[in-house]
Amino acid sequence: ETGVTQTPRHLVMGMTNKKSLKCEQHLGHNAMYWYKQSAKKPLELMFVYSLEERVENNSVPSRFSPECPNSSHLFLHLHTLQPEDSALYLCASSQDELAGGGEQFFGPGTRLTVL
Amino acid sequence: GQNIDQPTEMTATEGAIVQINCTYQTSGFNGLFWYQQHAGEAPTFLSYNVLDGLEEKGRFSSFLSRSKGYSYLLLKELQMKDSASYLCAFLYSSASKIIFGSGTRLSIRP
Repeated sequence: ETGVTQTPRHLVMGMTNKKSLKCEQHLGHNAMYWYKQSAKKPLELMFVYSLEERVENNSVPSRFSPECPNSSHLFLHLHTLQPEDSALYLCASSQDELAGGGEQFFGPGTRLTVL
Repeated sequence: GQNIDQPTEMTATEGAIVQINCTYQTSGFNGLFWYQQHAGEAPTFLSYNVLDGLEEKGRFSSFLSRSKGYSYLLLKELQMKDSASYLCAFLYSSASKIIFGSGTRLSIRP
């Protein structure tokens, strides 16, 4: 595997379910990110991890819970989601934090549908 | 607050030149990015500007004026594969606080 991978690619869940999204980067990067991309809305930064520590949390509801067990893996745990949470969830990584022009490499995304 | 504006859609002709503008309002500006996103795919990095002026990279160039809160992406010798959304994003306040614009959907006609 190369680059940034995400699983699953598609997920359908009910509002009472608990599921997790997984992201893995094979680039040796130190920073990882979760984004939400909804139709007709800008890409929204949700969480940033640098060296496995959370450095940004953009007022995301607590029904989204990130976990970064090591610098190569990032999870997004989902529980009691709402239909408006249906979106494409993108993971990205960069060598270091973005100041100084850090290029982010994005994964293919997980298309989430909440029923 | 932080606002970022770019046109929603643009159309251009194959072989021509197109300029996509982006304006932003912010304090704590720390850099500006351009990303390309083809339909159904993830964004890919195009450029980064932190100082005023033009950065050229092949057919693509990006310009920044910090005093005017303004950037543009210039695409030359347009090809059909350049049909995509172009996302302007700026970094503010901290090392990783980034805000994306809504994107400009560029369509190239033969």
